[in-house]
Amino acid sequence: DAGVIQSPRHEVTEMGQEVTLRCKPISGHDYLFWYRQTMMRGLELLIYFNNNVPIDDSGMPEDRFSAKMPNASFSTLKIQPSEPRDSAVYFCASSPGQGARGDTQYFGPGTRLTVL
Amino acid sequence: AQSVTQLDSQVPVFEEAPVELRCNYSSSVSVYLFWYVQYPNQGLQLLLKYLSGSTLVKGINGFEAEFNKSQTSFHLRKPSVHISDTAEYFCAVTLSGGYQKVTFGTGTKLQVIP
Repeated sequence: DAGVIQSPRHEVTEMGQEVTLRCKPISGHDYLFWYRQTMMRGLELLIYFNNNVPIDDSGMPEDRFSAKMPNASFSTLKIQPSEPRDSAVYFCASSPGQGARGDTQYFGPGTRLTVL
Repeated sequence: AQSVTQLDSQVPVFEEAPVELRCNYSSSVSVYLFWYVQYPNQGLQLLLKYLSGSTLVKGINGFEAEFNKSQTSFHLRKPSVHISDTAEYFCAVTLSGGYQKVTFGTGTKLQVIP
């Protein structure tokens, strides 16, 4: 398996623009997670899905952020409008199970977002 | 809710020396514990995990960790580090049973000095 795939790997945009990050989880995994990593706040869970359904979005910072999972093999994280404070590395991860069985989360390589 | 604390943000150590990265957790119920490693410009990958059974857990790349329930700790150790171990290490915890999210620590940067 190719692992979790994220695109783009790097994104530079200007404040106010819409940004869409994409993720393809490992085939057969039921759970998908979006994380944000910054120097100041560390690794934060933004939202996670189970079988394409959003389960917990309490980590989404504000209404400018939205995430969708239209099918088992694709998810997007959208920021509209983007702000400089959104600059971070965004990780997508997937797992066979969320943690009830102590399942491992498999992380993608991340998207480094810079908002100017 | 569970939480995890990594007291050391950075740990410098000479090559071939032993290292211990500390992790303490807080929970009133049973937990699962994990150590993940992040190499520069990469995502996190699992080093090892404790689910149940033997409190000494062995992982990849010669790392091991010991679950200590009385101390609520899960420290990561390696007897002899290599330059290639330079990375950031994250401790994580989740409640056992049911469906609970994984909580990650703030990370410890291990700097191996030649």
